[in-house]
Amino acid sequence: GAGVSQSPSNKVTEKGKDVELRCDPISGHTALYWYRQSLGQGLEFLIYFQGNSAPDKSGLPSDRFSAERTGGSVSTLTIQRTQQEDSAVYLCASSFLVSGGSYEQYFGPGTRLTVT
Amino acid sequence: DAKTTQPNSMESNEEEPVHLPCNHSTISGTDYIHWYRQLPSQGPEYVIHGLTSNVNNRMASLAIAEDRKSSTLILHRATLRDAAVYYCILRDGNSGTYKYIFGTGTRLKVLA
Repeated sequence: GAGVSQSPSNKVTEKGKDVELRCDPISGHTALYWYRQSLGQGLEFLIYFQGNSAPDKSGLPSDRFSAERTGGSVSTLTIQRTQQEDSAVYLCASSFLVSGGSYEQYFGPGTRLTVT
Repeated sequence: DAKTTQPNSMESNEEEPVHLPCNHSTISGTDYIHWYRQLPSQGPEYVIHGLTSNVNNRMASLAIAEDRKSSTLILHRATLRDAAVYYCILRDGNSGTYKYIFGTGTRLKVLA
């Protein structure tokens, strides 16, 4: 079946502009995660949605970052007033949470954001 | 969040076994050990996970120390396609949260 998809695959924006990054999780997955990966670095957790529960926003680096998940499916990560340090690959993952399961996260291909 | 430490890089010859170590000395009794790998220009992919017992699947084996303070991911016959960054991650099975805290991982180079 279809995996996690993200759009756009690449985004170049000018410093100070707002950007929206989209994630389409695997159908039926109740959990959705956003991470970012700066060049040559490991993944940094940003935010996590689980069903109808309040999202875990503990990884968002500043109030310029926000995310929504509409209808328990598609998610949008918004970065306002982008800065050069926001340049990174933004990765989305989803998982199917079943007690006793692996909670395996399936990752999308990412959106490469470049702020000039 | 409990942390893991891994060597920055390792090399292996093709067709030989590879043992990728991970230390997690502050692991708690409810932490699961997960391994993911990230091939170049791709998102991470699940490899294997375990709690206390050793685990095998089609991709790899996971050997967990008796005290659970360390674990080893074993690739039985490395291929060029196994060249990737391998991440060892702890997931708290009791907290109701499923986010991963990634470290910097081990970059595996496979030599032909």
